[in-house]
Amino acid sequence: NAGVMQNPRHLVRRRGQEARLRCSPVKGHSHVYWYRQLPEEGLKFMVYLQKENIIDESGMPKERFSAEFPKEGPSILRIQQVVRGDSAAYFCASSPRIATNEKLFFGSGTQLSVL
Amino acid sequence: SQQGEEDPQALSIQEGENATMNCSYKTSINNLQWYRQNSGRGLVHLILIRSNEREKHSGRLRVTLDTSKKSSSLLITASRAADTASYFCATDFNSGNTPLVFGKGTRLSVIA
Repeated sequence: NAGVMQNPRHLVRRRGQEARLRCSPVKGHSHVYWYRQLPEEGLKFMVYLQKENIIDESGMPKERFSAEFPKEGPSILRIQQVVRGDSAAYFCASSPRIATNEKLFFGSGTQLSVL
Repeated sequence: SQQGEEDPQALSIQEGENATMNCSYKTSINNLQWYRQNSGRGLVHLILIRSNEREKHSGRLRVTLDTSKKSSSLLITASRAADTASYFCATDFNSGNTPLVFGKGTRLSVIA
């Protein structure tokens, strides 16, 4: 009974390249959340998705960032033309229903380093 | 911002002592949750307390919620070195399909 799986665990990109972060939620969970964490900081909400729908993307930068959660396959957080400021740990979480009154299950995160 | 604020930012105690961490928030909530994060790992859910509850226990954890003061506390009794981690409170807005919003956390160090 696997938990939330994120890959890769570590990702190194040069400025201007694209970064693709993958998240497979707990089996049966249809709600996925992406958060970003800088060193010594809390988690900043980025985007909330349900299967094939973006429910809330208020925390995601308007440019270069996109997310999807297709009917089949993992959720993908895509960062185009990465810059050094994108270096952070990106965490994915899932829940069977909307997070209100539900606990979130977190993955181990993807550490993105932009050179 | 709805973001919870934990206090203190860092806490260092001896093994066996109790650790108390506080969280304050700004607007009405449905519930408040506490999570733990070990260095370099994802967050793990500890406990959820609903807005109509005042106190909740889980093993060595005790959480209180005071909605009139918009604050919560997490007490870890008889701490162990393995409790060393960062602890975050998370709140939801009392409306709509909003996700959990996390504070910056309290870094707890338990010295053996």
